[in-house]
Amino acid sequence: SQQGEEDPQALSIQEGENATMNCSYKTSINNLQWYRQNSGRGLVHLILIRSNEREKHSGRLRVTLDTSKKSSSLLITASRAADTASYFCATTASGGYNKLIFGAGTRLAVHP
Amino acid sequence: KAGVTQTPRYLIKTRGQQVTLSCSPISGHRSVSWYQQTPGQGLQFLFEYFSETQRNKGNFPGRFSGRQFSNSRSEMNVSTLELGDSALYLCASSQNPGQQYEQYFGPGTRLTVT
Repeated sequence: SQQGEEDPQALSIQEGENATMNCSYKTSINNLQWYRQNSGRGLVHLILIRSNEREKHSGRLRVTLDTSKKSSSLLITASRAADTASYFCATTASGGYNKLIFGAGTRLAVHP
Repeated sequence: KAGVTQTPRYLIKTRGQQVTLSCSPISGHRSVSWYQQTPGQGLQFLFEYFSETQRNKGNFPGRFSGRQFSNSRSEMNVSTLELGDSALYLCASSQNPGQQYEQYFGPGTRLTVT
């Protein structure tokens, strides 16, 4: 079973707009990672944020982590059509080695 | 560096058969994990190997097994295939047994059981 939920389940925006996806999880974590998946292909690693970090940036991506609320958000700024994909958050629990527990994902559609 | 590679990319098998999937991690990565992705259950952890030892196992029946070789390459095997085993099987590698490093995924093997 999955650890958490992501919302929204689907998001449709126009190019140039920002996209925000949220992820919630249930147990204490060691870190949280965001991945992108295009059309049932492999997962592309986007960003990792550790449990002692609150915010991280990578290019057009901004990730926040609130361990008190057990939630994270991924912001993609100035979206492009090429950002169309499914986005997943995944957590590793303390003592869980490299076992990733995934959310259900958000399907993002960016229209030209 | 080359990424994680998985072979074969596509596979069609008949119910009752067995299948072996292969994963070659990124050079220098010693941890390999396997995941199953289906429309109904999403992404689920199968097992993780480090230094040829299984360190963690997900909630899958014993028909699912795996192993890791001394060069860190890993294989997973599914015996007595069922229709519900149709899925995208993904492997991921990480450079460190700890939890502070990213995991990188291969393109997956799409298994169809008929």
